[in-house]
Amino acid sequence: GQNIDQPTEMTATEGAIVQINCTYQTSGFNGLFWYQQHAGEAPTFLSYNVLDGLEEKGRFSSFLSRSKGYSYLLLKELQMKDSASYLCAVRNTDKLIFGTGTRLQVFP
Amino acid sequence: DTGVSQNPRHKITKRGQNVTFRCDPISEHNRLYWYRQTLGQGPEFLTYFQNEAQLEKSRLLSDRFSAERPKGSFSTLEIQRTEQGDSAMYLCASSLVSKEYEQYFGPGTRLTVT
Repeated sequence: GQNIDQPTEMTATEGAIVQINCTYQTSGFNGLFWYQQHAGEAPTFLSYNVLDGLEEKGRFSSFLSRSKGYSYLLLKELQMKDSASYLCAVRNTDKLIFGTGTRLQVFP
Repeated sequence: DTGVSQNPRHKITKRGQNVTFRCDPISEHNRLYWYRQTLGQGPEFLTYFQNEAQLEKSRLLSDRFSAERPKGSFSTLEIQRTEQGDSAMYLCASSLVSKEYEQYFGPGTRLTVT
């Protein structure tokens, strides 16, 4: 079966740091993705991890532990525009299997 | 703009009618994917093409759904005899085979079945 779990909602304050966790159990694994999706818009690519460890890209970092079936997305120096849904997705062969997404609200 | 485009952006139809959506991928992208997203959920994989060949189709996709990519460029997704449960956002994404981990999504077609 395919199971990807992430928290439904999170809140944080502007300027703070937030960590969004994702755990997965899938029949295949070819990498883990994080996408950002603003309401009514298409998902936009944030990060991709295929090997264990931390990938840093500006204010966003993503971590992967394949043995634990675990990833997190770290957002630093939060801005109001970071209020969005964050989707964790596992690449299984050539398709993406998405979690339900974490809706992040950033407050001033 | 050279991103993925989808038409129409919105479609309202009555139950039982047929609808067709179009996706134009980023030029040179030889892979094209269709996903469906309902409110509060992540996108669900429906099917994908490499050039004109349909390589995989989800078991979620009933016989009422069909997708084509006749010349390996744009793709169409047709839903026959629509049902209210088909109401969703239909997303298209494209990628290069050499960079299949970079899927770029289009803005989606929002279907409402009344």
